[in-house]
This record gives sequence, structure tokens and C-alpha cells, in this order.
Amino acid sequence: DQQVKQNSPSLSVQEGRISILNCDYTNSMFDYFLWYKKYPAEGPTFLISISSIKDKNEDGRFTVFLNKSAKHLSLHIVPSQPGDSAVYFCAASATGSNTGKLIFGQGTTLQVKP
Amino acid sequence: DAGVIQSPRHEVTEMGQEVTLRCKPISGHNSLFWYRQTMMRGLELLIYFNNNVPIDDSGMPEDRFSAKMPNASFSTLKIQPSEPRDSAVYFCASSTLRTAYGYTFGSGTRLTVV
Repeated sequence: DQQVKQNSPSLSVQEGRISILNCDYTNSMFDYFLWYKKYPAEGPTFLISISSIKDKNEDGRFTVFLNKSAKHLSLHIVPSQPGDSAVYFCAASATGSNTGKLIFGQGTTLQVKP
Repeated sequence: DAGVIQSPRHEVTEMGQEVTLRCKPISGHNSLFWYRQTMMRGLELLIYFNNNVPIDDSGMPEDRFSAKMPNASFSTLKIQPSEPRDSAVYFCASSTLRTAYGYTFGSGTRLTVV
């Protein structure tokens, strides 16, 4: 049972346009969400996060939106750059468990074309 | 800080052989996580430790998999005997409980079982 799902394995966008990556979750206990970025032959690196008390968090070109009622979050990258080409993982945690355990999705491969 | 160090970077072994993956977490981090990356399931949590104690090993696929953390600076993931379906990239990550929602990942070990 996949508690965090990224239903789009890949996404291709033109440089300068918006990239929208989506993530759905099933566990209503999740209250903290993160996005990680992974380049080939490297480990994932933290990109941006959002707490369930918010519905939006912005950091430069990256914005994460959270829709709790739909159990859905999305990552917007504006404008997209070729260096953004990577695999993006969505992750979720139940902070009340106090374990720090993160559940990841399958990942979405983003290709930004020059 | 050297980050999370994993060894080896690549491992090719024959079916039936024992494989040992190693991880050195960041000094001061008291949580350590082993993940496996596959196309179908993305980043799958295998086991995690808090203060060197295994907390949740429900993600370990079979009895062929075992993990240890004898001290705060070293952990191993062992597969015995290995099978071709174990081929994947295995990641180790560490964090502090206070910032448990931002892991630092190692570069991974790419395991190929032939």
C-alpha cells in the first residue's frame, strides 16, 4: 500500500515555462510534507517543505501548495531551468509519531528542455 | 562535514553471495535510515534507528535482509543470500530528531546481483 503516490513518472517542459509536479497521500495522520530533488549518481537533497497548518510555502522559484481536504500537494517551479532536470520525490511525515520517519513517493523525472 | 558516507558505490555480485553495505552518518545525527530505490516503489524505507536502536524494520523485505548499528558512527545492511531482484540503489540517510524532517542522504550504493 503506497501511502504517498506520484502518479506521473515523468514530465517534460520548455525552459522558462512552469513545471507542476503532483503528489497524493492517503494517511490523514501526515502533517508535514517535503520535496526532495535527486540528480543521477547522487543522493536526494532537501528542496522545500510545508506544514499542514499552511496551504502554501514559497522559496524563490519553488512553491509548494497543500490541499488537505483533497490530500494533495504540488510543487511549482517558475520559471523552469535546464538545471532543474532531475527526479523529484514527495515525502510525508506524521510529526505526532516523533520518529522522524519519512514516507516517500515513487518520484517524477522532470526534463526541462532548452 | 563530509556528509553521509556510503560504501561501496557500486557492487556487483553473483546470486547467492552475501552482500554488505556500509554507512557512516553525520556526526551528531542520532537517527539513521536505510532506503531502497526502485522504479516501481520509489524510495522505500527498509529500517531506521534512533540512538543506535532499531525502531522499525517492517520495511525489510525478507529474512535475508538484516541491519545493524553497533555505534553512532557506523551501520551495515546485509543481504544473505542475495537474489537478482535485490538489484537496486540503496541509500542511507541520517538526521537529528530535532530536525528529523530534513534528512541528509548519502550518494547510495548501486547493487547488481547477477
